[in-house]
Amino acid sequence: GQNIDQPTEMTATEGAIVQINCTYQTSGFNGLFWYQQHAGEAPTFLSYNVLDGLEEKGRFSSFLSRSKGYSYLLLKELQMKDSASYLCAVANDYKLSFGAGTTVTVRA
Amino acid sequence: SQTIHQWPATLVQPVGSPLSLECTVEGTSNPNLYWYRQAAGRGLQLLFYSVGIGQISSEVPQNLSASRPQDRQFILSSKKLLLSDSGFYLCAWRLAGGSGRELFFGEGSRLTVL
Repeated sequence: GQNIDQPTEMTATEGAIVQINCTYQTSGFNGLFWYQQHAGEAPTFLSYNVLDGLEEKGRFSSFLSRSKGYSYLLLKELQMKDSASYLCAVANDYKLSFGAGTTVTVRA
Repeated sequence: SQTIHQWPATLVQPVGSPLSLECTVEGTSNPNLYWYRQAAGRGLQLLFYSVGIGQISSEVPQNLSASRPQDRQFILSSKKLLLSDSGFYLCAWRLAGGSGRELFFGEGSRLTVL
């Protein structure tokens, strides 16, 4: 089975940096995804890591360590529109299993 | 380009009534298809997935069922809804085979069972 843990909530100031951690224990691993979900909407894809290291995509970066079962999503230069839930998901064969999500609140 | 649509977007149903949510994908063939449910303030729970027509894998035992009558059509059903079936239902698709295959979600269907 899958066990995916991430913090429930985080708060940060506009323009700051926030790091959302995700730890996982899985019976198989085909990659780790990060999704953003605004309230009442469907999740949208942010990033994908399958090898160890950092993937950078504009203001968002994602890091993976397979040996530690650990990933983080780094949000830089926070904007008010970044207030959302961020979901960590682990791929195993056909399935993506999601963590409960981290609600990020950006304050002015 | 590929698109995914699900309907209805919102529905309010009494306990014990039937349910049918439909999802279709355009612009791709033989996708992997998924139904997830998200209870209020919770994460996404995988309910069913399908890797081909007529092939359904169930992740959680419950009073829901899924069917895939056509390659790009995925239906979620219930004969008798329970209060606990309330939630945000999301259909999703993914390319079959390979790695780096992200999941693309439909707009979601919000179900309230009263």
